[in-house]
Parts: sequence; C-alpha cells; structure tokens
Amino acid sequence: DAGVIQSPRHEVTEMGQEVTLRCKPISGHDYLFWYRQTMMRGLELLIYFNNNVPIDDSGMPEDRFSAKMPNASFSTLKIQPSEPRDSAVYFCASSPAAGMAYEQYFGPGTRLTVT
Amino acid sequence: DAKTTQPNSMESNEEEPVHLPCNHSTISGTDYIHWYRQLPSQGPEYVIHGLTSNVNNRMASLAIAEDRKSSTLILHRATLRDAAVYYCILRDVGQFYFGTGTSLTVIP
Repeated sequence: DAGVIQSPRHEVTEMGQEVTLRCKPISGHDYLFWYRQTMMRGLELLIYFNNNVPIDDSGMPEDRFSAKMPNASFSTLKIQPSEPRDSAVYFCASSPAAGMAYEQYFGPGTRLTVT
Repeated sequence: DAKTTQPNSMESNEEEPVHLPCNHSTISGTDYIHWYRQLPSQGPEYVIHGLTSNVNNRMASLAIAEDRKSSTLILHRATLRDAAVYYCILRDVGQFYFGTGTSLTVIP
C-alpha cells in the first residue's frame, strides 16, 4: 500500500485566499484524522471521521475551517479565507479502527504558508 | 483527558541503548500506552504500544511499570536515524492527544 497520501506537499498563498488540502487514506481504513502542527501549539487534532461521517470537530479553530469526506478514499480540509496565523503543517492520518489498540498512520503533511 | 509527562530532550551516543521515560499517573485501566516518533520534516510514525505487559517489536521495547503510572521506551542500539521527537500517548477512543514529546539527539 502507498500509505496515506496528501497533496499538495507545500502551499504558499496570500491572506484572504481559499486553500484546499487533500488526503487519500489507506484503503480499508475506517477512520480519518486531520491534525495541525505548529511550533507554538504542537500537534493538535482538528477533526476526525468514521466511515466518512464527521465524529468530532471540536478542534476546528473557527468557521473558516471546514472538512469533508465525500467517500472512503478522499477527504479535504478547506480554509476560507486564509490568514497568516493558519501557517502550519497539516497532517492527515488514517486508522483501521478507533479501538485503543489500533495505531494511526500519518501522511507526509502539507506545509501551508499564508503571507 | 489523561496526561503524559516526558523530558523535553535527551542525548545518547550512537550504538548505545536509550531509555526514554514517560509518566502517566492519571492513566485509567483501559488506556493503552502508545509511542510515536517524528523524524525531521516527516509525519509521526508508530513505534509501539502496550496495555500492561512489556512489549517488543523490531523497532523498540516498551517496559510498563506494574502500577502502569509510568513506562519506558527502549531503543536497544541508537542510530543516527533514531534522532527524532518521541511522543508518549495514552490512547482514548478515536483520538490521540500528543504532548510536547522528547527530542532525542544521537551523538556519533
């Protein structure tokens, strides 16, 4: 398996623009997670899905952020409008189940820079 | 949420064993202890996990205290490729809560 795939790997945009990050989870995994990592706050969970349904979005910072999972093999995280404070590395991860014995598999991340 | 406490940084000489400690005094009876590591410019990578008994895999060993309030990740022979941030995590259903982790430096 190719692992979790994220695109783009790097994104530079201007403040106010819409940004869309993409993720393809590992085939057969029922859970998908979006994380954000910054130097100040470390790694934070934004939202996670089970069988394409959002389960917990309490980590989404504000209404400018939205995430969708239209099918089992694709998810997007959208920021509209983007702001400089959104600059971070965004990771997608997938897991075969949510049980406490299961591990998560992370993608390589998307480094977002908002100027 | 159950919390973990780890030293901010540690150093080890290459080819020597490394013991990375983690305290989790508020652990519940059903919390699994997971360890992940993050190499520079990469996503976190699963290392090992356990519940009560010590665990071994090809990457590392996990030693869990009898009262489960602490654990130790053991890298048997550190290599330069093991330089990373190591996270000790108590697994709650559906989520991971990452702390600040331990930054491991391996000295040639």
